[in-house]
Amino acid sequence: EIVLTQSPATLSLSPGERATLSCRASQSVSSYLAWYQQKPGQAPRLLIYDASNRATGIPARFSGSGSGTDFTLTISSLEPEDFAVYYCQQRSNWRTFGPGTKVDIK
Amino acid sequence: QLQLQESGPGLVKPSETLSLTCTVSGGSISSSSYYWGWIRQPPGKGLEWIGSIYYSGSTYYNPSLKSRVTISVDTSKNQFSLKLSSVTAADTAVYYCASEATVIEYFDYWGQGTLVTVSS
Repeated sequence: EIVLTQSPATLSLSPGERATLSCRASQSVSSYLAWYQQKPGQAPRLLIYDASNRATGIPARFSGSGSGTDFTLTISSLEPEDFAVYYCQQRSNWRTFGPGTKVDIK
Repeated sequence: QLQLQESGPGLVKPSETLSLTCTVSGGSISSSSYYWGWIRQPPGKGLEWIGSIYYSGSTYYNPSLKSRVTISVDTSKNQFSLKLSSVTAADTAVYYCASEATVIEYFDYWGQGTLVTVSS
């Protein structure tokens, strides 16, 4: 099983600041990694797929990078609606999710 | 645009079988463009993929749950279903159904989720 580790567990930032979230895989997943956003009481929403492709309707302030075992989700300038939990997910070997990073308001 | 809706009992007794159904609208479950999956989330915790099914009936299960999981498709009702046997309190979670577009193979449309509590 491929284990995904996310850091930090919590990121406290102010609106307008840049957010950098990390996801590390226990073995290479090539570029087969996605990022999801989840708000309280809601289902996750797909943001980024295959490491760097924005899903339909996702604002340009969200970007993804990385390959192999190290990946990054960047939110260039946080909007009030971006405060949420973010999960990474790999599809290289079955499907596994990371434990999540909570982005909260400082 | 696809819409998915989970349905089923909100309370299941320990050792019994959890059964949920996902109704798909806005598209055909027989389409070759999608896999159909189940994901769960224990209260306050992260996401766990349970398994997925293709319209042909091919199934893919999380190895850690494989011995207890069955996912099936009912094309006549445009639904797919989850059965999880021998449940314990650890199976208490919000259960989501989701579509996985074959062109990207990630979960692009999700149901709202349904909480299933395992308790006597």
